[in-house]
Amino acid sequence: DSGVTQTPKHLITATGQRVTLRCSPRSGDLSVYWYQQSLDQGLQFLIQYYNGEERAKGNILERFSAQQFPDLHSELNLSSLELGDSALYFCASSARSYQETQYFGPGTRLLVL
Amino acid sequence: AQKITQTQPGMFVQEKEAVTLDCTYDTSDQSYGLFWYKQPSSGEMIFLIYQGSYDEQNATEGRYSLNFQKARKSANLVISASQLGDSAMYFCAMREGLGNTDKLIFGTGTRLQVFP
Repeated sequence: DSGVTQTPKHLITATGQRVTLRCSPRSGDLSVYWYQQSLDQGLQFLIQYYNGEERAKGNILERFSAQQFPDLHSELNLSSLELGDSALYFCASSARSYQETQYFGPGTRLLVL
Repeated sequence: AQKITQTQPGMFVQEKEAVTLDCTYDTSDQSYGLFWYKQPSSGEMIFLIYQGSYDEQNATEGRYSLNFQKARKSANLVISASQLGDSAMYFCAMREGLGNTDKLIFGTGTRLQVFP
């Protein structure tokens, strides 16, 4: 158990819908990262937050957004969902923002029908 | 651009034998980090081992060791005394060292199967 929690574990929804994925980092970690794992794209970095502020952005679609709250938990919002958004979404956390190991949560498996 | 290459889509190893999973990387940064993660069939990503670009000795963590050859830009994972529970996908990743972010770039993974 990495200490990173993600909810829900599984999510099934329809195209055009909006979902929110939630992540609680390890106790004391200030940085949260979101990654997407899909069959065609592999593991891709989406976005990073550090202590409530956006720190880095990857290949995140405009339909996707994230935030980190004062209690350091983070949410990833996915809207206008398409079939291709079906993937395993990971949250990871690290103590600070640089030169730290990232510990991954169990992931949320999203299926868009 | 930074890139991680894992050329072995699948590997087989017999229980109790050692196995090496290959990873090569490409970067122009002087400071970078290399990681290996294990992903069992249940889906979670488990951190195994880390090697910093300035570390002079190869990293070891229990049965895992990282064969770091900087000049060749390779960071192979060696698993000694394989166990059935080692069957999983293994991902090599590099920390992209631009500014103050720890964004990870992943390879495509190697599926390891350990047989009795």
